[in-house]
Amino acid sequence: GIQVEQSPPDLILQEGANSTLRCNFSDSVNNLQWFHQNPWGQLINLFYIPSGTKQNGRLSATTVATERYSLLYISSSQTTDSGVYFCAVDKAGGTSYGKLTFGQGTILTVHP
Amino acid sequence: NAGVMQNPRHLVRRRGQEARLRCSPMKGHSHVYWYRQLPEEGLKFMVYLQKENIIDESGMPKERFSAEFPKEGPSILRIQQVVRGDSAAYFCASSPGQKETQYFGPGTRLLVL
Repeated sequence: GIQVEQSPPDLILQEGANSTLRCNFSDSVNNLQWFHQNPWGQLINLFYIPSGTKQNGRLSATTVATERYSLLYISSSQTTDSGVYFCAVDKAGGTSYGKLTFGQGTILTVHP
Repeated sequence: NAGVMQNPRHLVRRRGQEARLRCSPMKGHSHVYWYRQLPEEGLKFMVYLQKENIIDESGMPKERFSAEFPKEGPSILRIQQVVRGDSAAYFCASSPGQKETQYFGPGTRLLVL
């Protein structure tokens, strides 16, 4: 199956700092999504971004499909950004049916 | 426009009992995916359903687990004769199509005593 690797595994920031999270994947994809799992365990959709660049407030994401990676940028981080960030992909091809394969996540801790 | 709904949010069962987890997709979505997040592990795909059909159950354990998505009503993930290793968070996601954004519910936290 497709492999999804996220880096770094852990990240500790002071409030106000910027950060970049990376997601590498081993095969062509139909779909790539970024999620934030908050401390209460809820999975929040951040971006649907199989290619290109998108921005939403302090967050932006870029996927370079031809090079099989995606980046999530967090600017001016806040304590509420703490949690686990997951990248998930749907492998291109006839039998994936859209199922997502998740990376292991990046644990982000933002200190005040 | 309500999001994906799951209930119960928390479920406690004793070993050997049955667990029934429910998922109501977003309005207009006919594609439902179930994922499981075991402690200290990532999220893993379990099963993909469309109305009245199981399309892909390649991630489902071979025994004790079943899923359905009837014509009317929510999708159900059923775990028979639960064991402690079934303790996990179970997430449901829905989408309007196979290759479109999946929206996740809040999850059901199952604890088996």
